[in-house]
Amino acid sequence: QQQVKQSPQSLIVQKGGISIINCAYENTAFDYFPWYQQFPGKGPALLIAIRPDVSEKKEGRFTISFNKSAKQFSLHIMDSQPGDSATYFCAAETPYSGAGSYQLTFGKGTKLSVIP
Amino acid sequence: ETGVTQTPRHLVMGMTNKKSLKCEQHLGHNAMYWYKQSAKKPLELMFVYSLEERVENNSVPSRFSPECPNSSHLFLHLHTLQPEDSALYLCASSQGGRGYSGNTIYFGEGSWLTVV
Repeated sequence: QQQVKQSPQSLIVQKGGISIINCAYENTAFDYFPWYQQFPGKGPALLIAIRPDVSEKKEGRFTISFNKSAKQFSLHIMDSQPGDSATYFCAAETPYSGAGSYQLTFGKGTKLSVIP
Repeated sequence: ETGVTQTPRHLVMGMTNKKSLKCEQHLGHNAMYWYKQSAKKPLELMFVYSLEERVENNSVPSRFSPECPNSSHLFLHLHTLQPEDSALYLCASSQGGRGYSGNTIYFGEGSWLTVV
C-alpha cells in the first residue's frame, strides 16, 4: 500500500513559469515532510521541508504549502529555470521510537523539465 | 559531495556471484540506511542501522545481507541475486535524535547494480 501519493508523474514548464507538484498521505503519524531533488546520476538531496504545525514554508523560489486536515502538501517552484530540471520526490517521515533514526516514505517522483 | 561515499558506482554481476556494496559516511552520523531505487517504484527502505544495531528490515529477501561494523561504514552483501534486483542502491545517513523527526537524511550517489 502506497502511503504517499505524488502527482503528476511528469511536468513540463516554460522558463519563468510556476511548477506545482502535489502529494497526499494517509498515515497521521507522519510528522515531517521533506522534498528531495534528484539530478541524473546523483542521489536525492534535501530541498526543503515542513512540519505539520505550519501551513507554508518558503525558501527562495521554493515554497511548500501544507494542508493538515486534507493530508496534502505541495511544492511550488516560482520562476522555474532550466537548472531546476530534475526529479522531485515528496516524502513523509516518522521517527523510530527509541532508535534514534528515521523512516522516510517516498512518493513515486515527478520528473520536471523546464524548457527555455 | 554529500559526505556519503558509495563504491562501486556501477556493478554488473551474474546470478550466481557474490559481491558487496560499500558505504562510508564522513558526517559523524549515528544512523545509516540502505534504500533501493528502481524504475516506476518509490524509493524503498531496505535496512536501517542505528548505533550499529539493525532496527529495520523491511521484508527484504535474504539474498541481501547488510553489515554495519561501525557507525561510519555500511555494507550490503549480495548473493544469488535475480535480474529484478537490478536497481540503484542508495546509502544514506542521519544524526538520529530520540523521538524527534526532522533531521536531514543525507544520501550517497548510489551504486548501479545490473544482474545478468
